[in-house]
Order: sequence, then C-alpha cells, then structure tokens
Amino acid sequence: GNSVTQMEGPVTLSEEAFLTINCTYTATGYPSLFWYVQYPGEGLQLLLKATKADDKGSNKGFEATYRKETTSFHLEKGSVQVSDSAVYFCALSMRGAGGTSYGKLTFGQGTILTVHP
Amino acid sequence: NAGVTQTPKFRILKIGQSMTLQCTQDMNHNYMYWYRQDPGMGLKLIYYSVGAGITDKGEVPNGYNVSRSTTEDFPLRLELAAPSQTSVYFCASREVLAGADSEQFFGPGTRLTVL
Repeated sequence: GNSVTQMEGPVTLSEEAFLTINCTYTATGYPSLFWYVQYPGEGLQLLLKATKADDKGSNKGFEATYRKETTSFHLEKGSVQVSDSAVYFCALSMRGAGGTSYGKLTFGQGTILTVHP
Repeated sequence: NAGVTQTPKFRILKIGQSMTLQCTQDMNHNYMYWYRQDPGMGLKLIYYSVGAGITDKGEVPNGYNVSRSTTEDFPLRLELAAPSQTSVYFCASREVLAGADSEQFFGPGTRLTVL
C-alpha cells in the first residue's frame, strides 16, 4: 500500500534558523504530494502542494520540490519565525484510472516544530 | 463562510455507549471525509463521501458508520464505543476540480475519550 514517512521529531529551532523537514513516500503510481500544517488547537490547513515530478510548491516562505527519483518531498524554509511553531504533515493522494482523484489522503506521522525567540 | 464545523469539541464516553459526531460545511463541496488522529500518528481515513447518498470505506472503518443525506452534513456514528476509539476526529471537505487535486478544508476536530 501507499505510505508516507517523515523525519522523527520534535524539531526545536531558534528564530531565523533554516528549517528542513524530510518526507519520503512509497506509492504505486504517481501521487500528488502535500504539506499540511496544524496550529495549536486548530484543524489542518494546506501549506503547499505539488502534483507532478519536479514541481515546486511554495507558500509563506516554505518550499518543497517533488523528487520522483528519490521519492521525496522535503519541506524547507530559509528563516523560521516563532509563528511557524506548529505540527507539519506530509501527505499524498493517488489518482485512479482516468485521472479521477477521490482525494483520499495518506499522511505521515507529523513533525512538531517549536521555534524560540 | 463558517467553513467546516464540528460538534462537540470534547466528549467522554463509557465503553459500550454510542454517539454521533456532527460535521457541517457551508462551501457546497461534494467530497467529505472523516479522519482520526491518534497520538504521535498521522491522520487515518475512516470514511468518505463523494456526494449526497454516496459513501465508502476508508482505511479504518470498523466500529463506525456514516450517512450523507445532504451536501452539507456528514455525521459519523460510533456504536458500542471501545477504548481503541479514543482519538481526535477530523472532518474535511473538498471541492472537485477537474484534473486537479484540490485542497481539503478541515474542521477544528472532536477530542473523544472512551473510558
């Protein structure tokens, strides 16, 4: 079956530090890849996505590139802020025959990020 | 728009009790989903629906039932609650865009404890 593996957490950084959260996937076929973020006490919200190989998703200073050859979708940010403290989830969804996507997401276990001033 | 709303926010059940978790969205999305999030784990799909009257099982459907009588509502029913169903439950909805994987919008979650 399909699966997503994220780097072990939690991750603790000082403000303005560089962030990398690793994500690798296993899938039969070519998935769409997502990063969702969960702020304390809230539901998940989409941070960025990429739907085909070599696509780069970006939003709010975060970036991730869909690497088919290494089956990876690592999340990066050049300079984190205290407000980036949250749980980050990597996820994938598959398309069925004919390109239809039911949008069923398979999630990694999540990485807790804490940024100190 | 309120987006996706869930009730209740918190609930404690005794083993063997039943309850319904409510989920409503006001974005006219056809697709809706129920996930559960166990501590230190990612979310797992319980059930999903592609439109009113159409539902299907996800990865972990045992012990749950769903119905979808309207576009807006997608309640999740727990029968005979067990400690293994202690979790945080998230409802989500999605607009269907041809040829694209669109964003899922999540509710704030229901934290359920079964004792």
